[in-house]
Amino acid sequence: GAGVSQSPSNKVTEKGKDVELRCDPISGHTALYWYRQSLGQGLEFLIYFQGNSAPDKSGLPSDRFSAERTGGSVSTLTIQRTQQEDSAVYLCASSFQPGENTEAFFGQGTRLTVV
Amino acid sequence: KNEVEQSPQNLTAQEGEFITINCSYSVGISALHWLQQHPGGGIVSLFMLSSGKKKHGRLIATINIQEKHSSLHITASHPRDSAVYICAVVPNFGNEKLTFGTGTRLTIIP
Repeated sequence: GAGVSQSPSNKVTEKGKDVELRCDPISGHTALYWYRQSLGQGLEFLIYFQGNSAPDKSGLPSDRFSAERTGGSVSTLTIQRTQQEDSAVYLCASSFQPGENTEAFFGQGTRLTVV
Repeated sequence: KNEVEQSPQNLTAQEGEFITINCSYSVGISALHWLQQHPGGGIVSLFMLSSGKKKHGRLIATINIQEKHSSLHITASHPRDSAVYICAVVPNFGNEKLTFGTGTRLTIIP
């Protein structure tokens, strides 16, 4: 597709289960970002991938959160042993090589509900 | 104090009114984004600015780097403009790790 694609669009899971969220960036985009928006909160940065460089994981809230990007394209965000406070909309964005005129394009997000 | 502040937090206006949303930031930046988030949660990037002014249809965005301030204007507002508008800054080149404002919820009444 032409835009950033995320799946699933909605996910309801039981507390303690693991979940995987997927992001397909725009073809050719080397940079990929994960953000989340908790209910009533602003957007917060989680993790950033750029090409083959080591990812910037500084925003991951705990070691239950991990992400990988295979082949420089698709990314998976994994949350282990989910907790209710993990309920949020998880957004993925991608861009070309960051620089002066680079614009980030966002996916529609995955709404995660932990019950 | 947040690095990115938006005002107002909520704005309700009648259809046709001229809308202004403000964003002030306290850090040095390389660029600033204006994003639109509709009730379903999806986010659309409206503008990315490094200087001056950009215009897309009824939307106009301006930035003053010296004053660390940006504004988003909507002319001839319409109910479909109802959304949350988010300002986000890029602290430096080389990493598009955005710092977000808390958003402005705009409601346009027919």
